[in-house]
Amino acid sequence: QVQLQESGPGLVKPSETLSLTCTVSGGSINSYHWGWIRQPPGKGLEWIGFFFYIGSTSYNPSLESRVTISIDTSKNQFSLKVVSVTATDTAMYYCARVRPSSSWYDRSPTYYMDVWGKGTTVTVPS
Amino acid sequence: SFELTQPPSVSVSPGQTATITCSGDVLSKKYAYWYQQKSGQAPLLVIYEDTKRLSEIPERFSGSRSGTRATLTISGAQVEDDAEYYCYSPDSSGYRGVFGGGTKLTVL
Repeated sequence: QVQLQESGPGLVKPSETLSLTCTVSGGSINSYHWGWIRQPPGKGLEWIGFFFYIGSTSYNPSLESRVTISIDTSKNQFSLKVVSVTATDTAMYYCARVRPSSSWYDRSPTYYMDVWGKGTTVTVPS
Repeated sequence: SFELTQPPSVSVSPGQTATITCSGDVLSKKYAYWYQQKSGQAPLLVIYEDTKRLSEIPERFSGSRSGTRATLTISGAQVEDDAEYYCYSPDSSGYRGVFGGGTKLTVL
């Protein structure tokens, strides 16, 4: 059974870069797609982006200019970088395995998260 | 952008049926997914592709969709089902996603 574990600094200064890593155990990182989701304190879930195993990515339009998701197959890890952080980036950050599906309407490809890490808290002081 | 709308809260007594809805135009063409998040825990996938349930999820959880509205039903809700529930759907491209605002289910 695949397990995910997030890691990274719990405190990031404003204007600096937030860097998190997700370590995958119990399976090869090469076989799946991967993603990041965050949750500000007391608020709902926000989808950040996906990394597809062919090497492409997709990001939340509201974050796209500041976010990068990448993968290190030699370490079975994938990463999230958010540049120029502000207090609004304070959140619990979750990594997740992404599974393919298809639209019921036209069978076009779609994606969803099935296995999640426990999350890691990141604080950006105001 | 697109939105998925959920009621902020639903409350039932143990043994009653809890119904949580999720509305959005994208659901006319994309499946809905449901996640359960208990306090202090990571989200857990409970329903995928509108109606499918993983084997480890209790049978009392079921999903349906009609037009642009998806519904999560918990038949005979238990105290341990007390949690926040989020719907999720891919966007029109299929390559991005969005969550509903979440529904706090109280079972007491």
